Amino acid sequence: DAKTTQPTSMDCAEGRAANLPCNHSTISGNEYVYWYRQIHSQGPQYIIHGLKNNETNEMASLIITEDRKSSTLILPHATLRDTAVYYCIVRVAYYNQGGKLIFGQGTELSVKP
Amino acid sequence: DAGITQSPRHKVTETGTPVTLRCHQTENHRYMYWYRQDPGHGLRLIHYSYGVKDTDKGEVSDGYSVSRSKTEDFLLTLESATSSQTSVYFCAISEGDSNTEAFFGQGTRLTVV
Repeated sequence: DAKTTQPTSMDCAEGRAANLPCNHSTISGNEYVYWYRQIHSQGPQYIIHGLKNNETNEMASLIITEDRKSSTLILPHATLRDTAVYYCIVRVAYYNQGGKLIFGQGTELSVKP
Repeated sequence: DAGITQSPRHKVTETGTPVTLRCHQTENHRYMYWYRQDPGHGLRLIHYSYGVKDTDKGEVSDGYSVSRSKTEDFLLTLESATSSQTSVYFCAISEGDSNTEAFFGQGTRLTVV
């Protein structure tokens, strides 16, 4: 299973863009990059996912490098409510496994006033 | 929010007793997963299901069993609870393959004394 490497923690000023990096150098061609976040002890919340093209939705943007070995999650205007642990996940796709999500340690993002 | 209900939300039990946690979904999704989360750790996959009566082990399956007799319910059983199984347990559901997001429940906090 492809592994991901993320910084343990990051700070961001409120209103500024938060750029969260992730390395996944062993990713396979048919594996997706997913981002989830977890606020306090709530269930993880889906943010965005992509294969090789950049993706954007109402929450964030996902930039994947051309070689697919790394990606960056961008929260364009971070607010205090974005303080959370952010998980970058390479989603494994095996037959009949529905794409297991294998979590790493994540990045603890602190948005400060 | 995806229709996922975990029950109970909190439980305290004694060492050696059997415990069953329930995950109920109203989305008719094929895939269901059980994770545990311990302090300072990301989520770890216990078991998953890819259809009625079709289940398989995850990373940390020892001491746990699961059953799925109908699409909407996925049960996690601790046959004889131990203190090391004190954790927060999350259920997740997914409609399809690795290109569809998975949704998580709010978790069950289990304490084994």
